[in-house]
Amino acid sequence: QVYLVESGGGVVQPGGSLKLSCTASGFIFGYYGLHWVRQAPGKGLEWVAFIWYDGSMTYYVDSVKGRFTVSRDNPKNTLYLQMNNLRPDDTAVYYCAKDPDLYSNDWSYFDSWGQGTLVAVSS
Amino acid sequence: QLVVTQSPSASASLGASVKLTCTLSSGHSSYAVAWHQQQPEKGPRFLMKLNSDGSHIKGDGIPDRFSGSSSGAERYLTISSLQSEDEADYYCQTWGTGLVFGAGTRVTVL
Repeated sequence: QVYLVESGGGVVQPGGSLKLSCTASGFIFGYYGLHWVRQAPGKGLEWVAFIWYDGSMTYYVDSVKGRFTVSRDNPKNTLYLQMNNLRPDDTAVYYCAKDPDLYSNDWSYFDSWGQGTLVAVSS
Repeated sequence: QLVVTQSPSASASLGASVKLTCTLSSGHSSYAVAWHQQQPEKGPRFLMKLNSDGSHIKGDGIPDRFSGSSSGAERYLTISSLQSEDEADYYCQTWGTGLVFGAGTRVTVL
């Protein structure tokens, strides 16, 4: 059974920073790419970032480029999202999600999800 | 541009069936999609990957009541023998130059 557990959310002022973590178990962490997906209150799902299984490549939605950084620590089975210069429209529940393909250098879909962590950007 | 379109809502009676539609944008009719379920106040759950030929791979523990089919640019999710716990938002998602979600279909069980 795959488990993904996000943490690190909270309330932060505009312009502030926050670092999210996602701890994984139930699969060989270093074999799979991982995603961050967010959901603003009352809205749909939006893909945010993707990192290759080995951490060598990262990709972002345009709205977070230059502000967010995705990284991973494979020996610790942990995915991270460093969020800087936060804006009110970054307010959302952030989910980590697993890509299904072994050693893939491309993205596809999400075959496991975490329960999410809430980030609220407000003064 | 890669876009997926979903109807905003659907409803059916307890024990009946409901068929949800996801339409791929022009030029993308060969693309696979994934269906995800989100029950109220919960994280999403992967239901299945659905290919253009109708073949699909289900997520772990997904009941047989959930099935998928395809026709042209349309991808369908059918839920049979509707249960109260099937009341949820259902998202269609595809991928290519980017990863794209539809706006979701809210299913109400009457």
